Amino acid sequence: EPEVTQTPSHQVTQMGQEVILRCVPISNHLYFYWYRQILGQKVEFLVSFYNNEISEKSEIFDDQFSVERPDGSNFTLKIRSTKLEDSAMYFCASRAGYEQYFGPGTRLTVT
Amino acid sequence: SQQGEEDPQALSIQEGENATMNCSYKTSINNLQWYRQNSGRGLVHLILIRSNEREKHSGRLRVTLDTSKKSSSLLITASRAADTASYFCATHRSNDYKLSFGAGTTVTVRA
Repeated sequence: EPEVTQTPSHQVTQMGQEVILRCVPISNHLYFYWYRQILGQKVEFLVSFYNNEISEKSEIFDDQFSVERPDGSNFTLKIRSTKLEDSAMYFCASRAGYEQYFGPGTRLTVT
Repeated sequence: SQQGEEDPQALSIQEGENATMNCSYKTSINNLQWYRQNSGRGLVHLILIRSNEREKHSGRLRVTLDTSKKSSSLLITASRAADTASYFCATHRSNDYKLSFGAGTTVTVRA
């Protein structure tokens, strides 16, 4: 069964550094999402992406964040200058119909 | 936020018993979805119920939706130790597809 994959599974970085989180959505899906979950809190929407552009973004998704689909398979989330409060689990999701399929997540730890 | 709270926040049951958890939301929705998350892992899609449906079954799962009360319930019958996880409801509105998640119910099934 096709699935969404994410790399790395765990990323540790120092405050102020740039990180790129990678996702490979399910191949015939056209809609892509990033969510995050701070430890012990709700899963929060960050951004949606369709037809090579951002469809919607939350107030969390400020100028420090960007997304890209550099080729036909990868979907990336970049955080330019990480802050301590960016520490969270980041989930990528994709969909064709109503159901969103989530990847296993990348745990980002900012020290 | 579109999403209300799930209750209970935590539930501990004996293997073989049924587990019921509830979810409330605030605005009109297109559909409601339930996800499972094992500790520190990704979100697994369980079931989707459309706004014009009242009940849906999938294996040992039974979901109800009451749009007049803006609430849903998830019943897991004949629970197993492997059902130990956090369960989240998520909604999206008719005009967008980003998911709004509840805080989740943590279910512990004791052997």
